[in-house]
Amino acid sequence: DTAVSQTPKYLVTQMGNDKSIKCEQNLGHDTMYWYKQDSKKFLKIMFSYNNKELIINETVPNRFSPKSPDKAHLNLHINSLELGDSAVYFCASSRQGVTEAFFGQGTRLTVV
Amino acid sequence: KNQVEQSPQSLIILEGKNCTLQCNYTVSPFSNLRWYKQDTGRGPVSLTIMTFSENTKSNGRYTATLDADTKQSSLHITASQLSDSASYICVVSASDYKLSFGAGTTVTVRA
Repeated sequence: DTAVSQTPKYLVTQMGNDKSIKCEQNLGHDTMYWYKQDSKKFLKIMFSYNNKELIINETVPNRFSPKSPDKAHLNLHINSLELGDSAVYFCASSRQGVTEAFFGQGTRLTVV
Repeated sequence: KNQVEQSPQSLIILEGKNCTLQCNYTVSPFSNLRWYKQDTGRGPVSLTIMTFSENTKSNGRYTATLDADTKQSSLHITASQLSDSASYICVVSASDYKLSFGAGTTVTVRA
């Protein structure tokens, strides 16, 4: 039973395209996150959703938009992809007030 | 600005040996500190959590220490195994639940 699952695991696309990464958690958590891990393996938070409200947005370009159809899903849409968007994107979830985050396996995005 | 710095950036050890990773932080007000292990191609997994009043906590061969006065933490790996090869990330939580991540230490265990 996968607690936090992301799809796809690998994504190769051309500059200028629009793409989406899906995330689902079956832990019953009420907060979900998207993180970007760069080539130096540094994790940076992008978005946090709690009860369908965006509560953190760390100066991410507006080409990135999170979409949460329900509490168990938080998808990441990226418009007009750029070379610098190449990275591994991690979805995570946690219970409100608890700082342990459970991470998905990551999506390696390569923009060519 | 809340920051978390880890050292060394990477290290290589022989199987069976011990090693210690360091984490210094400036996060305030401090709530807790976690060490995560990230295997290659996987997401990070929490190893230990330490709050202000805790000095040491163990999880199998992993022992974390915390000095809240000097704002330093360490993760000690005893009798390393090949499966310990991974990145270890120090994550500090402020009282508003915002997380600050270190850049991680990459550990390579060789037979």
